[in-house]
Amino acid sequence: KQEVTQIPAALSVPEGENLVLNCSFTDSAIYNLQWFRQDPGKGLTSLLLIQSSQREQTSGRLNASLDKSSGRSTLYIAASQPGDSATYLCAVPSGGYQKVTFGTGTKLQVIP
Amino acid sequence: DAGVTQSPTHLIKTRGQQVTLRCSPKSGHDTVSWYQQALGQGPQFIFQYYEEEERQRGNFPDRFSGHQFPNYSSELNVNALLLGDSALYLCASSWDFWNEQFFGPGTRLTVL
Repeated sequence: KQEVTQIPAALSVPEGENLVLNCSFTDSAIYNLQWFRQDPGKGLTSLLLIQSSQREQTSGRLNASLDKSSGRSTLYIAASQPGDSATYLCAVPSGGYQKVTFGTGTKLQVIP
Repeated sequence: DAGVTQSPTHLIKTRGQQVTLRCSPKSGHDTVSWYQQALGQGPQFIFQYYEEEERQRGNFPDRFSGHQFPNYSSELNVNALLLGDSALYLCASSWDFWNEQFFGPGTRLTVL
């Protein structure tokens, strides 16, 4: 059974700081890994998708890396802004790939 | 492109009632997945539909059922509602399971 853990559960940083969010998974036989952000009471917004054959993906100030062998992914946010405040979730397909398992998320607060 | 849409936005039901939630996928997507998200938790996979069939199912009882129509839209039905069914119900669509998932805004279900 795939288990996904995100550390830390919450993070508060001053504006402009670079930060790293962590995602760990127990079953390394994944097809891809996707990072999302979720604003309070809202749906999920896709940030980055990394296929299992890739080691990293970049989009603007975001960079996500994937190390399948160690069961880890990191999301790097450069020059954080108050608008980045949200909960960040990682998700991996497992159990035949169609079943997606989410982590519990990291709640980020960027202080102006 | 309207993206993934869900209806209704909010719903209040009483215990024992039945509810139907609806989802229209992003244009070009043929796969629809449903998730339940309790407050403060990551989304939990309910099931996935592809070519009008349930392809994969999470750890949810038979009270949770679904349907996919020829136009790829989908419904989630929950019978005999329990207080514990109160949650945000999210629909996600993709072009088959290995591609990037896009989420709708969700339906907030409250069971009294």
